[in-house]
Amino acid sequence: DAKTTQPTSMDCAEGRAANLPCNHSTISGNEYVYWYRQIHSQGPQYIIHGLKNNETNEMASLIITEDRKSSTLILPHATLRDTAVYYCIAGYGKLTFGQGTILTVHP
Amino acid sequence: ETGVTQTPRHLVMGMTNKKSLKCEQHLGHNAMYWYKQSAKKPLELMFVYSLEERVENNSVPSRFSPECPNSSHLFLHLHTLQPEDSALYLCASSQVRTGGTRDEQFFGPGTRLTVL
Repeated sequence: DAKTTQPTSMDCAEGRAANLPCNHSTISGNEYVYWYRQIHSQGPQYIIHGLKNNETNEMASLIITEDRKSSTLILPHATLRDTAVYYCIAGYGKLTFGQGTILTVHP
Repeated sequence: ETGVTQTPRHLVMGMTNKKSLKCEQHLGHNAMYWYKQSAKKPLELMFVYSLEERVENNSVPSRFSPECPNSSHLFLHLHTLQPEDSALYLCASSQVRTGGTRDEQFFGPGTRLTVL
């Protein structure tokens, strides 16, 4: 799996968009970008994944740069329940979790 | 609810005990995984079963013994554990497609294990 780099922590105001960046400059052509999140003491929850094109689902949007070396997860209207650790993973099936970004959504 | 259940949710055991963790998936997936999450450390992949065959074992000590009797059930048998084995043990499942591509993984709630 390609190495990913994420900020250690981020803050976001409730109701605003949360934009979480991830660098994966060594990603190879067949590796996907996956995003998961983990709310305290629970199992990780799948959010979204993509290969080259931008993706959107009911939870979030994923923007992947044209060179695929970085991506951004967008939570369009963050709520307090979105406070969690967000993991960006670049790989082909197997998931290698890093430290992730601690996102805190405040009122 | 993710469709992956784990029992027990909490377990306290002594170093000489033998216990088993159970995982069940109701998603029709053909691959199952065990992860370990220690305090302030990233999740570590322990074992992978695909089509009930163990396909990956990341140098896990032999005091952890996995078993996958069918595609819906996964066990982790524990014996003579050490206090440093205290952690959250997570099970996950996914679908592996022809060619090896694995879809997203769905995780259970985990078993919080404390070894005294």
